[in-house]
Amino acid sequence: DSGVTQTPKHLITATGQRVTLRCSPRSGDLSVYWYQQSLDQGLQFLIQYYNGEERAKGNILERFSAQQFPDLHSELNLSSLELGDSALYFCASSVGGTYGYTFGSGTRLTVV
Amino acid sequence: AQSVTQPDIHITVSEGASLELRCNYSYGATPYLFWYVQSPGQGLQLLLKYFSGDTLVQGIKGFEAEFKRSQSSFNLRKPSVHWSDAAEYFCAGTSGNTPLVFGKGTRLSVIA
Repeated sequence: DSGVTQTPKHLITATGQRVTLRCSPRSGDLSVYWYQQSLDQGLQFLIQYYNGEERAKGNILERFSAQQFPDLHSELNLSSLELGDSALYFCASSVGGTYGYTFGSGTRLTVV
Repeated sequence: AQSVTQPDIHITVSEGASLELRCNYSYGATPYLFWYVQSPGQGLQLLLKYFSGDTLVQGIKGFEAEFKRSQSSFNLRKPSVHWSDAAEYFCAGTSGNTPLVFGKGTRLSVIA
């Protein structure tokens, strides 16, 4: 157990739908990062939050949004889902980026 | 642009043989570098990290990595591979105030 909890582990949904992925960071970590992992694109950074505020944005689609709540858990919202959004979505947390990240076990999203 | 490159997509080694996985980086200044391992269906686990100082860093599970500025490389090594080392290995880097950038990964297969 890495200390980073992601739910659900698996999600199957239809095109056009909206889903929410949840992440609880390791105790004491203020930063949360979201990554998308697919076979063709590898690990792509989506977005970072630090203590409730957006800190950095990567290749995140406009259909995707995220937030970090006062208790530091984070949610990634994916809407108008397309087949190409099928991927593993990882959340990671850190006390500071230079110390490395602790990853959760991921949410496997399948869009059918 | 800051980048991390892993030239080898797939490597096969015999159990008990030595291992070296290659990683090259492109950063303006000395980056913070990391190696992660991902077993099937699992999240990413941090093996080791390089910040500064000694260019040979030791990690968990008997892994080590050597930072070579002249070659812009940070190769991962293990003197004797075990079947349980079969996994996907990712090199990652950051300038310190940017999210981790990952290489595409190297899949390691171990044969008897």
